[in-house]
Amino acid sequence: KAGVTQTPRYLIKTRGQQVTLSCSPISGHRSVSWYQQTPGQGLQFLFEYFSETQRNKGNFPGRFSGRQFSNSRSEMNVSTLELGDSALYLCASSSSGGNIQYFGAGTRLSVL
Amino acid sequence: GENVEQHPSTLSVQEGDSAVIKCTYSDSASNYFPWYKQELGKRPQLIIDIRSNVGEKKDQRIAVTLNKTAKHFSLHITETQPEDSAVYFCAASGAGGGNKLTFGTGTQLKVEL
Repeated sequence: KAGVTQTPRYLIKTRGQQVTLSCSPISGHRSVSWYQQTPGQGLQFLFEYFSETQRNKGNFPGRFSGRQFSNSRSEMNVSTLELGDSALYLCASSSSGGNIQYFGAGTRLSVL
Repeated sequence: GENVEQHPSTLSVQEGDSAVIKCTYSDSASNYFPWYKQELGKRPQLIIDIRSNVGEKKDQRIAVTLNKTAKHFSLHITETQPEDSAVYFCAASGAGGGNKLTFGTGTQLKVEL
């Protein structure tokens, strides 16, 4: 089985722009969660989608949004980028009724 | 919301020694506690997990213990090897439903020859 795939792997944007990141879960997995990883704040939960519905949400501003498609692929969007949004964005998938989360390799976003 | 504290932030051991990393959580409704290993530039990889109805779980050189009363859980690595060097994260989930993981701040483990 293919693992969790995130695209793109690297992104460079400037302040004020917006960005869309993509995550393809392991085949058959319906839950996709997103996390932000920074040296200062560690791993922080952004949101979780299950069957195209947002099931959980972390404490991030409304500039961070996401969605999930019928094939379970998920995207997250960050609008009006700020320097502090520079981070590694990780997604993780898990099966229905399962707790184990498998992480993708991440998208490293740099905001200049 | 859930809060997870992790100690120590750095740990240096000699090859062959044991390493112990400790975490505490705040929400008694949490029922799933995974441990992830993250090598430099790599994705977090699950190494072991434990559910709240179990007190201890072992997988070869790695074990996890859970004390629900004290809201503590710990990772034990025996016979450490240089390839065990990495950052280890504990996490908790289950409170409120879904798969939201609340992570500890990580422990940088260095195994010296």
